[in-house]
Amino acid sequence: QLQLQESGPGLVKPSETLSLTCTVSGGSISSSSYYWGWIRQPPGKGLEWIGSIYYSGSTYYNPSLKSRVTISVDTSKNQFSLKLSSVTAADTAVYYCARHHRHDNWNDPWGQGTLVTVSS
Amino acid sequence: QSVLTQPPSASGTPGRRVTISCSGSSSNLGSNTVSWYQHLPGTAPKLLIYANNLRPSGVPDRISGSKSGTSASLAISGLQSEDEADYYCGAWDDSLKGYVFGTGTTVTV
Repeated sequence: QLQLQESGPGLVKPSETLSLTCTVSGGSISSSSYYWGWIRQPPGKGLEWIGSIYYSGSTYYNPSLKSRVTISVDTSKNQFSLKLSSVTAADTAVYYCARHHRHDNWNDPWGQGTLVTVSS
Repeated sequence: QSVLTQPPSASGTPGRRVTISCSGSSSNLGSNTVSWYQHLPGTAPKLLIYANNLRPSGVPDRISGSKSGTSASLAISGLQSEDEADYYCGAWDDSLKGYVFGTGTTVTV
């Protein structure tokens, strides 16, 4: 059974870089059928797609975040990571990682999510 | 900024049916399949419907999805208290070259 788990600091200072890692277990991140993505939910708001990466390193990013986002993959560790630079309070959210089917574009499964608060 | 529009809320009594709409455009629902997610506070979102109307293993058949043109809908029949949750549609957008979620609908039973 495929499982995803987010990890990283729960508190980041304004203007700094948010860094999270998603560890995939129970399956290979190098599957040809899937991308691997990041999604977030600010408090009291809806879901927002951040971006996705293929095991080869090919990426897609949300245009509204593209200038600040970098998603990378480490196939040897079965992990992929998110970096979001120059964070503000508006980046406070629960961050989820998820597997993304590259043809039918659905997301499943998801990690449990991790709350990241931007505050000094 | 969500490009898929859903009603903020929907409600129904136990045993009845509720339908949630998802309105998009030619660049997302008009050219790509839709998926639906159930989200309970503090938990991971759960995939309910993929490829417009297919249910993953374990999702009961009282949950169904459909799509026509640039609109999609999710129907939950035989409403149960456990169906109280937030529901989101999602699709790939060819113009944005990214995935978009709907605005979300809170279902109350």
